Amino acid sequence: GENVEQHPSTLSVQEGDSAVIKCTYSDSASNYFPWYKQELGKRPQLIIDIRSNVGEKKDQRIAVTLNKTAKHFSLHITETQPEDSAVYFCAAAESGGGADGLTFGKGTHLIIQP
Amino acid sequence: GAGVSQTPSNKVTEKGKYVELRCDPISGHTALYWYRQSLGQGPEFLIYFQGTGAADDSGLPNDRFFAVRPEGSVSTLKIQRTERGDSAVYLCASSLGGVGTGELFFGEGSRLTVL
Repeated sequence: GENVEQHPSTLSVQEGDSAVIKCTYSDSASNYFPWYKQELGKRPQLIIDIRSNVGEKKDQRIAVTLNKTAKHFSLHITETQPEDSAVYFCAAAESGGGADGLTFGKGTHLIIQP
Repeated sequence: GAGVSQTPSNKVTEKGKYVELRCDPISGHTALYWYRQSLGQGPEFLIYFQGTGAADDSGLPNDRFFAVRPEGSVSTLKIQRTERGDSAVYLCASSLGGVGTGELFFGEGSRLTVL
């Protein structure tokens, strides 16, 4: 089955700086890669996703890049703000193929220092 | 409903007892997922329903865990002979179609504590 590795486990950046979180996956059949944000005690919420037919996707301050050959994808947050502080999870799945659910990474605790 | 609803929000039980956790997905969502999240970890896939049938139950850790979705809407996760290692937050999610066809909407979770 799929295995998703996520780094770093904790990331502290100054407000206004950029943050980058990286994930690798093992199953070359995976073609759908979402990122979820989870605030303390809250439910995970989708912030952006990318499919394997594109290499990059951007939504305001958030961007995701995908390298299918190397089987890794990254989340980039620019101009970080205090409300960006949360745990971020990457995930991978084969959409339209197997019936597996999303396989999540272990999460990155992003801390925005004022 | 407006979102995915899970009950109870908290459940404390003793080792060896039976527990049921309920999930009410967003109306019209055919896909329903159960995940388990331990402290400091990502959600761990348990089971996926498409309609009434379990399309994939490969994540259920052992035969003490079972889930049903008899009418294709509400789902119940059942845990028999609970063990301390079952303590976690059990998350339910739903989506319009199968995985990758759209956003998974998560509930707030049911926090299970086994003493």
